[in-house]
Amino acid sequence: DQQVKQNSPSLSVQEGRISILNCDYTNSMFDYFLWYKKYPAEGPTFLISISSIKDKNEDGRFTVFLNKSAKHLSLHIVPSQPGDSAVYFCAASARLGNEKLTFGTGTRLTIIP
Amino acid sequence: EAQVTQNPRYLITVTGKKLTVTCSQNMNHEYMSWYRQDPGLGLRQIYYSMNVEATDKGDVPEGYKVSRKEKRNFPLILESPSPNQTSLYFCASSLIGSNEKLFFGSGTQLSVL
Repeated sequence: DQQVKQNSPSLSVQEGRISILNCDYTNSMFDYFLWYKKYPAEGPTFLISISSIKDKNEDGRFTVFLNKSAKHLSLHIVPSQPGDSAVYFCAASARLGNEKLTFGTGTRLTIIP
Repeated sequence: EAQVTQNPRYLITVTGKKLTVTCSQNMNHEYMSWYRQDPGLGLRQIYYSMNVEATDKGDVPEGYKVSRKEKRNFPLILESPSPNQTSLYFCASSLIGSNEKLFFGSGTQLSVL
């Protein structure tokens, strides 16, 4: 049972445009959400996070939006750059001392120069 | 340099031959975890450890063992590997209460023939 879903396995975006990556979750206990970025032959690295008490968190070119009622979050990258080409994983956790992260299936983003 | 080190990077073995994938971190993190990445399934947690001598099952623990005798090391043991354990494995670590700062190793690509 996939509790965190990324329904788009891949996405291609032209350089300079906006990239929007989507993630849906089913577990209503999840209250903390993260995005990780993974380059080939490397481990994932933390990108940005959001707590359920917020609906938006911004860090430079990256913004994460959370819609709790729809159990949906999205990652916006503006403007997209070639170095953003990577696999992006959405992850979620139910805090209260629980360290377990549940990851999505990943979306491969390709930025076209 | 702060890092999580996994060895080996690549491993080809045969069914039933016991193997160990080592993981070491130099950040004094209490929490360590093993994940496997499979196409279409994302990252799934195998085992995790909250501290020395404290380990627990993740989502897909069958066929795996772990130990945490020292804070820095968290080896993954496959007593009798099978072809369905062919996968890309990642070790990760973090401070307790700091999910977003999960540091990953570079991965171990395991093929079981």
